[in-house]
Amino acid sequence: GIQVEQSPPDLILQEGANSTLRCNFSDSVNNLQWFHQNPWGQLINLFYIPSGTKQNGRLSATTVATERYSLLYISSSQTTDSGVYFCAVAGGGSNYKLTFGKGTLLTVNP
Amino acid sequence: EPEVTQTPSHQVTQMGQEVILRCVPISNHLYFYWYRQILGQKVEFLVSFYNNEISEKSEIFDDQFSVERPDGSNFTLKIRSTKLEDSAMYFCASSDPGTSSTDTQYFGPGTRLTVL
Repeated sequence: GIQVEQSPPDLILQEGANSTLRCNFSDSVNNLQWFHQNPWGQLINLFYIPSGTKQNGRLSATTVATERYSLLYISSSQTTDSGVYFCAVAGGGSNYKLTFGKGTLLTVNP
Repeated sequence: EPEVTQTPSHQVTQMGQEVILRCVPISNHLYFYWYRQILGQKVEFLVSFYNNEISEKSEIFDDQFSVERPDGSNFTLKIRSTKLEDSAMYFCASSDPGTSSTDTQYFGPGTRLTVL
């Protein structure tokens, strides 16, 4: 099946700093989603982005499908941005099954 | 904004007991999914369901698991004889790739299952 690797595994920032999270995947995809898992365990949809670039406030994402990677940018980070960020993809012959990466644990300190 | 709901939020059960986890997908969605996340690990796909049948399942989804859409709104996951290793957060999701411009899967808040 398709493989998903996220980096870095852990990231510690001071409030106000910017960060870039990376997701590499091993096959062509028809779905790529970024999620934020909050302290209560809920998975919050950030972006649906199998290709191209999107922005939502302080967050933006870019997927370069031909090179099999996606980037999530967080600007002017806030303590509420803390949590685990997951990349999940569907592809490689399975249209709807999402395969998740192991996530990036982001800690934003005040 | 429509959302996926799940009940209960937390279920505690004894090993060997049957549990049913319930989900109400977004009303116009056609595809339904269950995923699970063991504490501290990544989210894993269990099963997808479309047109009243399983469309895909993972190796985790063995004979002790079953899914059902008993009516027009609910989607359930049954675990027949729970094991300690079934303790996890179970997420339901739904999507509408047929008519929507995206294949976005929307996740519910999860049911935390604890098997004692």
